[in-house]
Amino acid sequence: DTAVSQTPKYLVTQMGNDKSIKCEQNLGHDTMYWYKQDSKKFLKIMFSYNNKELIINETVPNRFSPKSPDKAHLNLHINSLELGDSAVYFCASSLSPTGERAFFGQGTRLTVV
Amino acid sequence: GENVEQHPSTLSVQEGDSAVIKCTYSDSASNYFPWYKQELGKRPQLIIDIRSNVGEKKDQRIAVTLNKTAKHFSLHITETQPEDSAVYFCAAAVSKAAGNKLTFGGGTRVLVKP
Repeated sequence: DTAVSQTPKYLVTQMGNDKSIKCEQNLGHDTMYWYKQDSKKFLKIMFSYNNKELIINETVPNRFSPKSPDKAHLNLHINSLELGDSAVYFCASSLSPTGERAFFGQGTRLTVV
Repeated sequence: GENVEQHPSTLSVQEGDSAVIKCTYSDSASNYFPWYKQELGKRPQLIIDIRSNVGEKKDQRIAVTLNKTAKHFSLHITETQPEDSAVYFCAAAVSKAAGNKLTFGGGTRVLVKP
């Protein structure tokens, strides 16, 4: 039973398209995150939600819009995809907003062509 | 904001030898320091973490040390095995109820040669 699951695992799409990545956790955690890992493996936080409320919003283009329908789900919608958006996107969750012991999903490899 | 530097970027060791990865952080308020291991094509997995009220923590073959004064912390892997080959990331955060932001180092690619 996967603790943090993301769909899809791979996503190939053309520039200008709009796409969504879904994330669900069954750990009973209150806090969820989106991280971006670029081609050099650098991991950087994008957003954090605690009990459906946005608590961290890094400097991310407003083409990226997270949505949390409930505390077990955090989706990421990306408008007008650009080549530079190609990366691996990881969802993660932690028990509380202190962020300790964050558990990562398996990642979504997004390729924009 | 927090800045975390990690060295070396690559590390090749012979099986059975020890591996040491070092990180420095800039924000003296940081109080939580996890280490993650990421195998090729897989998710980052937490392997050990330390809070600022302790100087050292061990779990079998891995240990982490923290020097708050110097603002650096290190990961030590003893008796390395081929399955230790992966990318290792350190991170630092100010752990607080209002929202914790993990800032990651650039990663160290460890190769254990049999």
